[in-house]
Amino acid sequence: LAKTTQPISMDSYEGQEVNITCSHNNIATNDYITWYQQFPSQGPRFIIQGYKTKVTNEVASLFIPADRKSSTLSLPRVSLSDTAVYYCLVGFAYNNNDMRFGAGTRLTVKP
Amino acid sequence: EAGVAQSPRYKIIEKRQSVAFWCNPISGHATLYWYQQILGQGPKLLIQFQNNGVVDDSQLPKDRFSAERLKGVDSTLKIQPAKLEDSAVYLCASSLEAVSYVGELFFGEGSRLTVL
Repeated sequence: LAKTTQPISMDSYEGQEVNITCSHNNIATNDYITWYQQFPSQGPRFIIQGYKTKVTNEVASLFIPADRKSSTLSLPRVSLSDTAVYYCLVGFAYNNNDMRFGAGTRLTVKP
Repeated sequence: EAGVAQSPRYKIIEKRQSVAFWCNPISGHATLYWYQQILGQGPKLLIQFQNNGVVDDSQLPKDRFSAERLKGVDSTLKIQPAKLEDSAVYLCASSLEAVSYVGELFFGEGSRLTVL
């Protein structure tokens, strides 16, 4: 049973803010929420990780409501180079019983 | 800081042949992962090492896939004999943290295998 649900694809335009929501209704007390970005012909790249409330870094923000049953990755003012697949992972350890990569959300940024 | 190095970047073989992929993780990273990524899907964990010990190989097809991490540094992933469905990108990742802590994975660029 998948631990996370996220949209298969999203389109946006340059300069817009993009919000990608991930649902994780069965999140456990010890679980973290982690997002990765993957460009074609490259390995995934860590974007951000959080446990609760809001986390911000130079690339993105992660919003986590109090019940932690969903989370939103926010990318401010996207550019064409943000076109990629974005993966939401929930768990405490990278193994086949915990944090697994799903199909991700394919974001396409248009000029 | 040097990233995770993988080779070869591309490999084309015929079914039933063998192939090996090599990975050199970031210096000092104790945990090493091999993922398989089929076109259009997310990466799937094949095997996970902490130092030179296997932690999780539950999704590794052991009848044809093998992996080792001698001396707790470099790792090789071998497929013998290859099947058509093994066509994928094989990604190596490493992590500073032990397997029991979530942390951040650092991925290499991957090795793209095509089996004809």
